[in-house]
Amino acid sequence: DIQMTQSPSSLSASVGDTVTITCRASQPIGNWLAWYQQRPEKAPKSLIYEASSLQTGVPSRFSGSGSGTDFTLAISSLQPEDFATYHCQQYHSYPITFGQGTRLEIK
Amino acid sequence: EVQLLESGGDLVQPGGSLRLSCAASGFAFSHYAMSWVRQAPGKGLEWVSGVSGYGDITYYTESVKGRFTISRDNSKNTLYLQMDSLRDDDTALYYCAQDGGRRPPHMFDLWGQGTLVTVSS
Repeated sequence: DIQMTQSPSSLSASVGDTVTITCRASQPIGNWLAWYQQRPEKAPKSLIYEASSLQTGVPSRFSGSGSGTDFTLAISSLQPEDFATYHCQQYHSYPITFGQGTRLEIK
Repeated sequence: EVQLLESGGDLVQPGGSLRLSCAASGFAFSHYAMSWVRQAPGKGLEWVSGVSGYGDITYYTESVKGRFTISRDNSKNTLYLQMDSLRDDDTALYYCAQDGGRRPPHMFDLWGQGTLVTVSS
């Protein structure tokens, strides 16, 4: 199975800050990586697919990059609604696997 | 409105069975592969199973093979997950998800709100 490792597990930031979350795959996955946002007590929401393509309706302050084994989610000019947990997911091969999640908290 | 609505979650004893359903609306259900993804309390996301649009191809994570069966009824726009021989570590919120992307495996474009399965004696 492909292991997905996110870092950090949690981070604190302020409204207006820019943050980055990284996701590392245990073997190359091309650009078959997605990012999701999950607010407390809510279902995940798709943000980015194929490592860098923004889903329709997702604000442009979200961006994704990377290929192979190393990927990054960047959020610029943090808004109050951005404080949530973020998950990466590989869909290069079965079984589909997720990172453990990164909790973004308000400082 | 595009929507997925799960049901069927319950408290069940170890070794018991449960059938989850996911009613889809607002999109051409048969055109999309579908999946179940679960989240244990306070934990991350775990993909469980997926099925092709026609229902003829299925995939499972290793820990549920032989115990869970995914299926779909395209005439009813409904996805199912039959869960047998349930174990304590199957306790989770189970999400139904619409597969996106160009080829399997998929990422997940749309998620339901989840249905809670608790396995406990």
